Amino acid sequence: AQSVAQPEDQVNVAEGNPLTVKCTYSVSGNPYLFWYVQYPNRGLQFLLKYITGDNLVKGSYGFEAEFNKSQTSFHLKKPSALVSDSALYFCAVRDSNTGFQKLVFGTGTRLLVSP
Amino acid sequence: ETGVTQTPRHLVMGMTNKKSLKCEQHLGHNAMYWYKQSAKKPLELMFVYSLEERVENNSVPSRFSPECPNSSHLFLHLHTLQPEDSALYLCASSQEPSGTSTDTQYFGPGTRLTVL
Repeated sequence: AQSVAQPEDQVNVAEGNPLTVKCTYSVSGNPYLFWYVQYPNRGLQFLLKYITGDNLVKGSYGFEAEFNKSQTSFHLKKPSALVSDSALYFCAVRDSNTGFQKLVFGTGTRLLVSP
Repeated sequence: ETGVTQTPRHLVMGMTNKKSLKCEQHLGHNAMYWYKQSAKKPLELMFVYSLEERVENNSVPSRFSPECPNSSHLFLHLHTLQPEDSALYLCASSQEPSGTSTDTQYFGPGTRLTVL
């Protein structure tokens, strides 16, 4: 069965510094990978996804993610963090062999950007 | 705004009550989903509807009853819930019907449910 691991419950970074939120996955078949962000009292907001092609995926709000097949990772990155990036981030994977669009989510990583 | 709305945003109910959660998508999508989000746990997929037909029931107790009258609306009927059912219930939609879709799911803001 497919699974996603987000090894860090929380990531702390100072504003202006680069940030990385880690995600590793396990799936049979080709992985389709997603990142979502959740602000307080809000639903999940789509950031970016990897389906195929270039391993570096660019998404919303200056975020990008790097797909690494050998390390089964899909880490989320941003060159310069903003205080407003503070939120809960979820990695998700969809197994391309499943019969319908079913996502498996990680437990989430809380990003705290300090001024 | 993602084009997916949910009402009510907050709901408090007793264990003997019957209530319903509503989700509406304004994106012209063909698939809709219910998720449960509990603290410290991954999102749990509950139900999937594609073209108004239920295609997934992820071992959800019968006290949760979904309904999809058309491709724009999705309901979750609740009855005789337990305190452990307290959670954020999220609705999502995606463009394509079930299949080998790579489409993105778009989420509503959720309903915060508290069962007393």
